Amino acid sequence: AQKITQTQPGMFVQEKEAVTLDCTYDTSDQSYGLFWYKQPSSGEMIFLIYQGSYDEQNATEGRYSLNFQKARKSANLVISASQLGDSAMYFCAMREGRNTGNQFYFGTGTSLTVIP
Amino acid sequence: DAGITQSPRHKVTETGTPVTLRCHQTENHRYMYWYRQDPGHGLRLIHYSYGVKDTDKGEVSDGYSVSRSKTEDFLLTLESATSSQTSVYFCAISRSRDRAAGSYEQYFGPGTRLTVT
Repeated sequence: AQKITQTQPGMFVQEKEAVTLDCTYDTSDQSYGLFWYKQPSSGEMIFLIYQGSYDEQNATEGRYSLNFQKARKSANLVISASQLGDSAMYFCAMREGRNTGNQFYFGTGTSLTVIP
Repeated sequence: DAGITQSPRHKVTETGTPVTLRCHQTENHRYMYWYRQDPGHGLRLIHYSYGVKDTDKGEVSDGYSVSRSKTEDFLLTLESATSSQTSVYFCAISRSRDRAAGSYEQYFGPGTRLTVT
């Protein structure tokens, strides 16, 4: 079974609108971390936001927020007030356990295009 | 910026030749990782290291070997490159953002684009 599932291969959003990128995960661990990364056309992987499994509040980082629904095992990324520079691939990832070195599992990504 | 560099950044090689990719980090991180990125697959773990001379296999380790003789360097070797190993290779380190909360993130190098003809 896939550890991380991203069901939206491509998404379009109008500039200044909000967009939600979906991510579901599969784990039996009680302790885990959820992450989102952005990969622009230049190719680098940029860390965006982190949510711990024990965090009671949804994580926020500027215009990014993570809609964490533990019972549904979903960790959707919400980008508010989209900008042209948000056009990129977005990857959801999970780390099981609390160990620094634990393996990360990545989804297949969602390509976001922001339309002017 | 986690001080990660990869070399070379681009390489074209022929089938059957050996290839070594280098990952170098400057912040003394214990854990290092090699991933490959292919369309439709996201990032998949090849090998990882949890210290000098301590390495383990990831999801797609066949055809790859690694070595870590110094903390700062993690080498990925394709003993005999095949066309299926054409990919973008990323090195990553694991760094604590908030040790008390158990928040450990991975930071990535710039990637190496490898083409096997």
